[in-house]
Amino acid sequence: SQELEQSPQSLIVQEGKNLTINCTSSKTLYGLYWYKQKYGEGLIFLMMLQKGGEEKSHEKITAKLDEKKQQSSLHITASQPSHAGIYLCGAFARTGANNLFFGTGTRLTVIP
Amino acid sequence: NAGVMQNPRHLVRRRGQEARLRCSPMKGHSHVYWYRQLPEEGLKFMVYLQKENIIDESGMPKERFSAEFPKEGPSILRIQQVVRGDSAAYFCASSLGPSSGNTIYFGEGSWLTVV
Repeated sequence: SQELEQSPQSLIVQEGKNLTINCTSSKTLYGLYWYKQKYGEGLIFLMMLQKGGEEKSHEKITAKLDEKKQQSSLHITASQPSHAGIYLCGAFARTGANNLFFGTGTRLTVIP
Repeated sequence: NAGVMQNPRHLVRRRGQEARLRCSPMKGHSHVYWYRQLPEEGLKFMVYLQKENIIDESGMPKERFSAEFPKEGPSILRIQQVVRGDSAAYFCASSLGPSSGNTIYFGEGSWLTVV
């Protein structure tokens, strides 16, 4: 079965530092979603990428999907304590699939 | 614009009881998904529904679990005769159209504890 591997599993950075989280699959991804989850809370939608090479930004967060659509990266510039949480990537295994499958997440801690 | 609303947020049930989790999708959304997040595990798809129809239940356990999305009212995930292993966070999500190509929004989750 297809899996999404996220790296690193956890990350501790000083406030103001940049960081990157990766999401990798051995097979082509169809629709790549990034979410943020605070402990004990729901998922907040960040971005959706569909086309190979696509890049989207929102405030200080940029997400990219590589040309082969097998890897996505999430980059945070000048991190803040409010960025702390668990970042999850989710994707569809095939066109027309109904169910997103998710990576196990990256836990981000930002030290003030 | 209200997001995906789930209730209860927290639910405690004794072994053998029934648990009912409710989900109201975002306004205008007719596609609903249920996911389960077990402690220290990732999110797993359970079921996908449209109004009055179950489209994909490939992630649902074969017994004790059922879901519905009636013409009127919220979607309901029902777990009969709960066991300790059912303790988890259950998330509902909704989208405007079929999942692929549409943004999928998640609710705050319902945390079920079976004692």
